[in-house]
Order: sequence, then C-alpha cells, then structure tokens
Amino acid sequence: GENVEQHPSTLSVQEGDSAVIKCTYSDSASNYFPWYKQELGKRPQLIIDIRSNVGEKKDQRIAVTLNKTAKHFSLHITETQPEDSAVYFCAASKRNTGNQFYFGTGTSLTVIP
Amino acid sequence: DAGVIQSPRHEVTEMGQEVTLRCKPISGHNSLFWYRQTMMRGLELLIYFNNNVPIDDSGMPEDRFSAKMPNASFSTLKIQPSEPRDSAVYFCASRGLADTQYFGPGTRLTVL
Repeated sequence: GENVEQHPSTLSVQEGDSAVIKCTYSDSASNYFPWYKQELGKRPQLIIDIRSNVGEKKDQRIAVTLNKTAKHFSLHITETQPEDSAVYFCAASKRNTGNQFYFGTGTSLTVIP
Repeated sequence: DAGVIQSPRHEVTEMGQEVTLRCKPISGHNSLFWYRQTMMRGLELLIYFNNNVPIDDSGMPEDRFSAKMPNASFSTLKIQPSEPRDSAVYFCASRGLADTQYFGPGTRLTVL
C-alpha cells in the first residue's frame, strides 16, 4: 500500500517569514494530493490540493508543488500570520471516490508574532 | 449543505459500557471513513465504506470495535465494551466525485 512521510514534525517561524512542509509518497499510482489544516480542537479542513497533471498550484499565500518523478510534494506558506498556527497534514490518494486517503503524521506550525 | 454531521459531540462513559457514535455523510457522497485521532498515534483510519459496503476494516483495533452503514445517509461506530485506552477524538469523513474528503466535527470520547 501507500506510505506517506511528512517533515518536519514541528516548525516555528517568525511572523512574515515563509514556511515549507514536505511530504513523500511511495505509490506511483497516487494522483491526488490534498493538504489539511487542523486548528486546536477543530476538524481537519482542506486548504489546497493538487492533482498529478499539474506541477504547482497557488491560492493567495498558499502554494503546493508536486514532483512526480521524485514522488514528493510540498506546502509553501508565505507571509505567515499567527492564525496560520495549526497542525498541517498532507495526504495521497488515487482519484476516484472509492479510494482511501493516506495521511502523513502532521506538522505542528507555530507562527511567532 | 450541512456538511458531515456527527453525534454526540462529546461522550463520557465508564469502562465496560457500550458506546455508539453516529455519522451522517454529505448527501450524494458514496464513500464514508471513520478515523481515530490521539496525540500518541495521530490520525488513524479505522474503516471505510463505499456505497454502504465495508471495504477495508484493517484499522479496527480489535473485536470490541464494529461499524455499520445500513444506508447511504447513516453510519455507526460501536465500541463494546469500552476501555480507557479508547479515549480519543473520532472523526467521520465522506468523499464524493470531486476527490476531496470532508471531515465531520468529531466526537470526543472519554472512557473513565
């Protein structure tokens, strides 16, 4: 089956700096890669996703890059703000409603004001 | 759209009691997932259903755990008998044709 590894497990940045979280996956058939943000006491919520037919996707201060050859993808947050502090999870899946998500172990991001 | 609905939101019970967690997926979604989240073990997939049929229950910890999905709009996760180590947040999630999986608010279970 699929194996997703996520690094780092914790990350602290100064407000306004950038944050980068990296994930690798093992199954070359995976073609859908979402990122979830989980605030303390809340549910995981999708913040951005990428499909294997593109290499990069941006949404305001958030971007995700995908390298299919190396089987890794990354989340980039620019101009970080205190409200970006949360746990971030990456996941890999195959497109199709019947497939499960394989989640990384999470990165706890702290943005220091 | 009301999103994924879970009940109860909080449950406190004593060891040995039966616990039933409930989930209503987003209308039209045909995949449903049950997860358990703890500090020690992170987010674990327990079981998932496609079109009401259990596909993979390899994450169910032991026979004390069981899950059902009698129809497309309802699923239950039952723990009988419950133990203190079952204390966790249990999430239900559903997925439709648009790839994305949406999580419910979770049930925080405490077993004393």
